[in-house]
Amino acid sequence: NAGVTQTPKFRVLKTGQSMTLLCAQDMNHEYMYWYRQDPGMGLRLIHYSVGEGTTAKGEVPDGYNVSRLKKQNFLLGLESAAPSQTSVYFCASSYGRAGDTEAFFGQGTRLTVV
Amino acid sequence: SQELEQSPQSLIVQEGKNLTINCTSSKTLYGLYWYKQKYGEGLIFLMMLQKGGEEKSHEKITAKLDEKKQQSSLHITASQPSHAGIYLCGAWRGSQGNLIFGKGTKLSVKP
Repeated sequence: NAGVTQTPKFRVLKTGQSMTLLCAQDMNHEYMYWYRQDPGMGLRLIHYSVGEGTTAKGEVPDGYNVSRLKKQNFLLGLESAAPSQTSVYFCASSYGRAGDTEAFFGQGTRLTVV
Repeated sequence: SQELEQSPQSLIVQEGKNLTINCTSSKTLYGLYWYKQKYGEGLIFLMMLQKGGEEKSHEKITAKLDEKKQQSSLHITASQPSHAGIYLCGAWRGSQGNLIFGKGTKLSVKP
């Protein structure tokens, strides 16, 4: 049972380059999330989705776009990477909200923008 | 501003000592989660609390949600080096699936 899988695990980008981070879950979860984790800042929500075809902004959405074309996948895109986007990115999914169940996390993607 | 405040930010304890980590919100908490993160790894689910006054335990870790549902505490009894890591509390915000987290508490356990 894979759970939540993030690809790639590591990536180095040059400023201005674009890339897409893929999050895949095999638990038939409705809700999916993208977070970034920076030292001293905890986990900050970038975007989230409450179902296939829907997305919403979180706390720090600027510079990122997302898509949820298939229920099992949630893509995070950086159109023009900036050094400020150097971070560890985590994807998560859950069946519902408000205490329905726990959120399951991927292992993270370490992104460096030079 | 951070909606979920965790304290302390970091903690160093001697092995065998007890410790408490707090998570405070200015708003009522609906579904409070505790996760543990080992350095450089993903998040491991510890416990979920929903009802005011609820208390749950797993091995030597106990979490409580106060009656007013605005604060939760995580207590570790007889700490071990395996307890070291970053502890994060998370909670739901709004009517949509907005799951937010505190900044975390970094725990080090000295053998």
